Amino acid sequence: GNSVTQMEGPVTLSEEAFLTINCTYTATGYPSLFWYVQYPGEGLQLLLKATKADDKGSNKGFEATYRKETTSFHLEKGSVQVSDSAVYFCALGGSNDYKLSFGAGTTVTVRA
Amino acid sequence: DSGVTQTPKHLITATGQRVTLRCSPRSGDLSVYWYQQSLDQGLQFLIQYYNGEERAKGNILERFSAQQFPDLHSELNLSSLELGDSALYFCASSYRGLGETQYFGPGTRLLVL
Repeated sequence: GNSVTQMEGPVTLSEEAFLTINCTYTATGYPSLFWYVQYPGEGLQLLLKATKADDKGSNKGFEATYRKETTSFHLEKGSVQVSDSAVYFCALGGSNDYKLSFGAGTTVTVRA
Repeated sequence: DSGVTQTPKHLITATGQRVTLRCSPRSGDLSVYWYQQSLDQGLQFLIQYYNGEERAKGNILERFSAQQFPDLHSELNLSSLELGDSALYFCASSYRGLGETQYFGPGTRLLVL
């Protein structure tokens, strides 16, 4: 079945540092890939998505590229802020599966 | 704000009790999904409804049930509650289903004492 493996962390960074969170997937067919973010005490918010190979999703300075050859969708941000402190989830929406399959989540803490 | 609403925000109850969680999808969305988030199991898919009918089932216990009403809101019923049912329960919605972005509500935090 479909599955997502995500760097678990926790990750602690200083402000303006570079952030990367690794995500790889296993799926049949042509899945859609997502990054969701969960701020403390809140629900899941869609951060970005990509629906086909080589697509790049981007939002709020975050980027991720759908790499079919390496089955990866790594999240990157060039310069993090304290407000980026949150839990980040990589997710897969299968072309043959109604549910989203989530990674374990990566807790990111950015220090001033 | 995703447009998905969930009530209540918090729920505290005792073992053996029954509770009902409510979800209203985004305007225009026909699919509703329920997920459970716990520390030990992460985000687990429970069940999906599309336009009033059950479409997909995940790791949902027999003590749990759900339905989607003609106005498309959904309810998740949890009965014979156990300590281990304490978790955050999310509802999400999308227009139809496969591969679509799912928009999540703020969740209901259930504490079973």
